[in-house]
Amino acid sequence: SQQGEEDPQALSIQEGENATMNCSYKTSINNLQWYRQNSGRGLVHLILIRSNEREKHSGRLRVTLDTSKKSSSLLITASRAADTASYFCATEYKGGSEKLVFGKGTKLTVNP
Amino acid sequence: NAGVMQNPRHLVRRRGQEARLRCSPMKGHSHVYWYRQLPEEGLKFMVYLQKENIIDESGMPKERFSAEFPKEGPSILRIQQVVRGDSAAYFCASSPLGDRVSYEQYFGPGTRLTVT
Repeated sequence: SQQGEEDPQALSIQEGENATMNCSYKTSINNLQWYRQNSGRGLVHLILIRSNEREKHSGRLRVTLDTSKKSSSLLITASRAADTASYFCATEYKGGSEKLVFGKGTKLTVNP
Repeated sequence: NAGVMQNPRHLVRRRGQEARLRCSPMKGHSHVYWYRQLPEEGLKFMVYLQKENIIDESGMPKERFSAEFPKEGPSILRIQQVVRGDSAAYFCASSPLGDRVSYEQYFGPGTRLTVT
């Protein structure tokens, strides 16, 4: 399966702490994207990192990509209760169409 | 610029009925993707369409499911003779023609299909 896998499946932290989620994938990619989904809602695009990039920042988000290990991490700094959501990584594989392959997600709970 | 629109947001069908899900991409977008999400799961790709063309349908079940994206009007995902296992959230995403710079897909709010 080409499906990415997030780790951990669930994460519970206190407000103000940092949250780190990891994603692993199986074959060469064009890019990797992180999305957030609040319960019962649609997906919100957070950040896209291309295969030739190693790190990207957006506000309190930091994403790294290690193509040699086929893995990525999403760091949310100074977390807030409003960050409570499920976080998914999605990969666009090389040689495929533009479809995205999603992992099962990490459910993050930030306790006030 | 309105986002990706999907309707209906919730759809209840009895086993054996047909379900029609609609997706209007963002203005100026001509690529549409359909994904399905089962409870507590990630999204699974179903089909990728451009105007009047199916580009990749590798994720579509072979029977009962079809999709179209006509020259005019929304993209339609059609499920014939629904079964309980079709109950899921169906998401549509769109991206601009030729936007190979960002590859970003913009998602709609989803249609939650319940088959009773």
